[in-house]
Amino acid sequence: QKEVEQNSGPLSVPEGAIASLNCTYSDRVSQSFFWYRQYSGKSPELIMSIYSNGDKEDGRFTAQLNKASQYVSLLIRDSQPSDSATYLCAVIGAGGTSYGKLTFGQGTILTVHP
Amino acid sequence: DGGITQSPKYLFRKEGQNVTLSCEQNLNHDAMYWYRQDPGQGLRLIYYSQIVNDFQKGDIAEGYSVSREKKESFPLTVTSAQKNPTAFYLCASSSVVGDRLPQHFGDGTRLSIL
Repeated sequence: QKEVEQNSGPLSVPEGAIASLNCTYSDRVSQSFFWYRQYSGKSPELIMSIYSNGDKEDGRFTAQLNKASQYVSLLIRDSQPSDSATYLCAVIGAGGTSYGKLTFGQGTILTVHP
Repeated sequence: DGGITQSPKYLFRKEGQNVTLSCEQNLNHDAMYWYRQDPGQGLRLIYYSQIVNDFQKGDIAEGYSVSREKKESFPLTVTSAQKNPTAFYLCASSSVVGDRLPQHFGDGTRLSIL
């Protein structure tokens, strides 16, 4: 089992729709979760961080965390063509040799079409 | 402006040659990291450093070497022992290595074999 696994893409949604990106992780003691957006040919850009169970909203983005299910998701409301990118889920290890290390999922490609 | 500067943006390596990728940050961060990204993949940790004159291997350190002589600088050398060096290399930093701190990335160096 991969340490951080994202739903396989690519994901295509129409402009104005909600895009839902999902991620599961294997390290039960992890406490910190991040979503990065990466445009083609560019470096990852941090868009959301979440540390507690529940929802965290920032503009059109909502991150959801369920530690019992080891599941984190990102919802993008009112999707725009400019949201088209690869979204990377990342988890920081909380114990042992994993402490402080960021582990990434393979990424989900999102395409928002007009 | 504070940030992470990677150079060069593109680099070509000849057979049997060592090449060095530069990473400089002016964020006063103690922790610095090197990642490798292959097409369609997430990021994999090569090396990281928590403090000057100290660094640890990540998940794929074979064929790479680093140094940390100054807080601001964390160069990565891709040695001739790395048989498949073609990838996108990303440098990141955080204030310290911790289990709650996100990492921020430079613009990356794209390395190819001649």
